[in-house]
Amino acid sequence: GEDVEQSLFLSVREGDSSVINCTYTDSSSTYLYWYKQEPGAGLQLLTYIFSNMDMKQDQRLTVLLNKKDKHLSLRIADTQTGDSAIYFCAESKKGTYKYIFGTGTRLKVLA
Amino acid sequence: EAGVTQFPSHSVIEKGQTVTLRCDPISGHDNLYWYRRVMGKEIKFLLHFVKESKQDESGMPNNRFLAERTGGTYSTLKVQPAELEDSGVYFCASSQAGQNYEQYFGPGTRLTVT
Repeated sequence: GEDVEQSLFLSVREGDSSVINCTYTDSSSTYLYWYKQEPGAGLQLLTYIFSNMDMKQDQRLTVLLNKKDKHLSLRIADTQTGDSAIYFCAESKKGTYKYIFGTGTRLKVLA
Repeated sequence: EAGVTQFPSHSVIEKGQTVTLRCDPISGHDNLYWYRRVMGKEIKFLLHFVKESKQDESGMPNNRFLAERTGGTYSTLKVQPAELEDSGVYFCASSQAGQNYEQYFGPGTRLTVT
């Protein structure tokens, strides 16, 4: 089946690391994505990882994929107030174009 | 390069009325998608165009929804007649030909049906 789950809220202090988790059920997922939605704005593609990778790092962002457990995480180092947003995890499969999204995790960064 | 744009940003209509949402994809993107987020739930796929052809409309909720992409450029999504449960944020996205792993999203249209 197709199901992507995320916790709804996360609160961290400025300067700490944030870890946003996501689980998915479809083992045939090919790509997994993280999108960010700031208040009043659209969805911004942050990063994506191919399913044959375990990790991807891009500046302050680290994506970890545990394919065995179908678990994806996004770590934001040195979290800033500007990182406050909703973060959506999504998956797609080879041969299809639709993304399956999670409910989104609202990250609140406390100064 | 301009991103995906959507119009209007917000629409408030009464139950039974008709609303048309518009999406302008990134120039040159053959793939265009519509998604919807209802009441803080997950974002759900509605349909996918390749140029002017509907490739996948498996996510369209019912026949009150009609999407078009005449000429393969901008797209419209019409809801007629609107129901209360249609309220939500409608997102449009686009990607280059043959590419599904970089979909760029617009800001969304917030539809409120009263």
